[in-house]
This record gives sequence, C-alpha cells and structure tokens, in this order.
Amino acid sequence: AQKVTQAQTEISVVEKEDVTLDCVYETRDTTYYLFWYKQPPSGELVFLIRRNSFDEQNEISGRYSWNFQKSTSSFNFTITASQVVDSAVYFCALSEAPIMDSNYQLIWGAGTKLIIKP
Amino acid sequence: DVKVTQSSRYLVKRTGEKVFLECVQDMDHENMFWYRQDPGLGLRLIYFSYDVKMKEKGDIPEGYSVSREKKERFSLILESASTNQTSMYLCASSETGTGDSYEQYFGPGTRLTVT
Repeated sequence: AQKVTQAQTEISVVEKEDVTLDCVYETRDTTYYLFWYKQPPSGELVFLIRRNSFDEQNEISGRYSWNFQKSTSSFNFTITASQVVDSAVYFCALSEAPIMDSNYQLIWGAGTKLIIKP
Repeated sequence: DVKVTQSSRYLVKRTGEKVFLECVQDMDHENMFWYRQDPGLGLRLIYFSYDVKMKEKGDIPEGYSVSREKKERFSLILESASTNQTSMYLCASSETGTGDSYEQYFGPGTRLTVT
C-alpha cells in the first residue's frame, strides 16, 4: 500500500535558522515519483519539486534543498537561512508510475505547518 | 506559466441548493482533479478526469458529481448541498505522459460555506 508520512505536524523556528521537514513514504513499486508543495496562508498550493525514483541526486534551489534516500524511503526538505515568507504548510506527495490513463492520483502527506518567527 | 482558475474564492449556499464549482486551466492538460481540504484531514480527492467526458471517483465521491465537456473545464457539482460539505475546494490539472507522473498545478481554491 502507498502511504506518505509527515510526522512533524508543526515546526516553529526563528528567522535565519535552518529547518528540515521530514517525509517518509511507502510503496511497493520500483518506479514512483515524489513531490513537495507549499501552501502559504493565501491558500494556493504551489509546486516546488518533482523527483522520480531513479534519480537519487540531491537537489538544491537557492535556499531550498531536497535529500532523497531510497534506503530509508525518505525525501526530506531543508530550508537554509529561513525567512518569514517561508511560513506555510508544506506537503509531500507520492505517485506511482501510471500504467493506465486513469491512474494519476497523488498520495498526500498530512502536511507540516512551518512557522518562521521574526 | 500554468494558470488554473476557479469561479469563486468564497461561496455561501443554503442546505439543499445545487452548487456548481467551475475550474478552468489554460495549459491544455489532459488531467484535472477536484480535492477538498479540511483541517486535520489534509487533501482528499473527490473526482478526477483524464480526458474529456472521462471521470474516475476519488476517495470521497459521495454527494458530488463532475462534468468535463471541454478539455479546459472541469466542474464539480453538489447536487444537494449539506452542511458537512462546508470546506475548501481545490482544483488542479496536470499533463499526462506514458508511464510518467507529472506535477499538479492548483487553482486558488473556493471556500464554500453551506448554512
């Protein structure tokens, strides 16, 4: 069965601290995709990254970085030198490779609320 | 940039009313999705569509129906609104690819209150 666990319900840090959001997934497929989304207080979900299971290279985009480790089934997200604008709910999601046209669902984690205090 | 728009940001309806939520995307995506988001329950898929006139039930389809007559437009219908359908409704779209799963792009959401 597929499952995504974001064990951290809420994290609060002071601005400029580094923070890591954890994501652990379960799947029996060898081909799958992982995603991170940000949902700021305005409510609109913003896509951050997509990673397929054959690409274990870590990704860095500015202050954001992602650590994908198949050995521990984790896809963690780190924000370096956090800023108040990073305050949001962050979701991790999993999709197995669709084998039919009708199979493009994402399995969502519960989300982690990140609060960055000035 | 992908643009997904939803017909209303806020909507207030009475119990028993028929409610239409409209979603339009401008990127020629094959797949479109309707979710509802409730505190503590995360995102739950109501219905999705992978082609015009095609639809699949998600995790919580009861009390909802959908319509996709044109590729860019996906409508969510509450046949007879009830108070337990008060929620944030999110529409999304994604492209399709053989054996690949692509990111979903979301609209701003519609906060529906049923009184």
